[in-house]
Amino acid sequence: GENVEQHPSTLSVQEGDSAVIKCTYSDSASNYFPWYKQELGKRPQLIIDIRSNVGEKKDQRIAVTLNKTAKHFSLHITETQPEDSAVYFCAASKNTGNQFYFGTGTSLTVIP
Amino acid sequence: NAGVMQNPRHLVRRRGQEARLRCSPMKGHSHVYWYRQLPEEGLKFMVYLQKENIIDESGMPKERFSAEFPKEGPSILRIQQVVRGDSAAYFCASSPPNQETQYFGPGTRLLVL
Repeated sequence: GENVEQHPSTLSVQEGDSAVIKCTYSDSASNYFPWYKQELGKRPQLIIDIRSNVGEKKDQRIAVTLNKTAKHFSLHITETQPEDSAVYFCAASKNTGNQFYFGTGTSLTVIP
Repeated sequence: NAGVMQNPRHLVRRRGQEARLRCSPMKGHSHVYWYRQLPEEGLKFMVYLQKENIIDESGMPKERFSAEFPKEGPSILRIQQVVRGDSAAYFCASSPPNQETQYFGPGTRLLVL
């Protein structure tokens, strides 16, 4: 089955700096890679996703890159703000209707 | 369009009791997924259902756990004879047909005493 690894497990950055979270996956058949943000005690919320036919996607301060050959994808947050502080999870799946395989999460703290 | 609804939000049970967790998917979504999250861990897949069908239950423990998604009403995750190790947050997610994106509910936090 699929194995998703996520690094780092914790990340602290100064407000205004950039944050990068990296994930690797093992199953080359995976073709959909969402990122979720989860604040303490809240539901995971989708912040951005990318499909395997695309190498990069950007939405304002958030971007995701995908390297299919190396089987890794990354989340980039620029100009970080204190409200970006949360746990971020990457995930991988193969097709519509398939389970998501989640990484173990990155706890991001943005220091004002 | 209301989001994915789950109830109860918090559930306390004593060892040996039954826990019933309910999930109402978003309107128009016919696919429901259940995930379990242990403290400070990621989400682990349990089961994937469509109306009246279990599609993939590869993540479900073989005993005490069951799930259903009837023609009418919410999806139910049922845990019989709960043990302390069942304490976790249980999230359901839903997706529309032919789309990969899954939208999560607020979760049910189960505490077994």
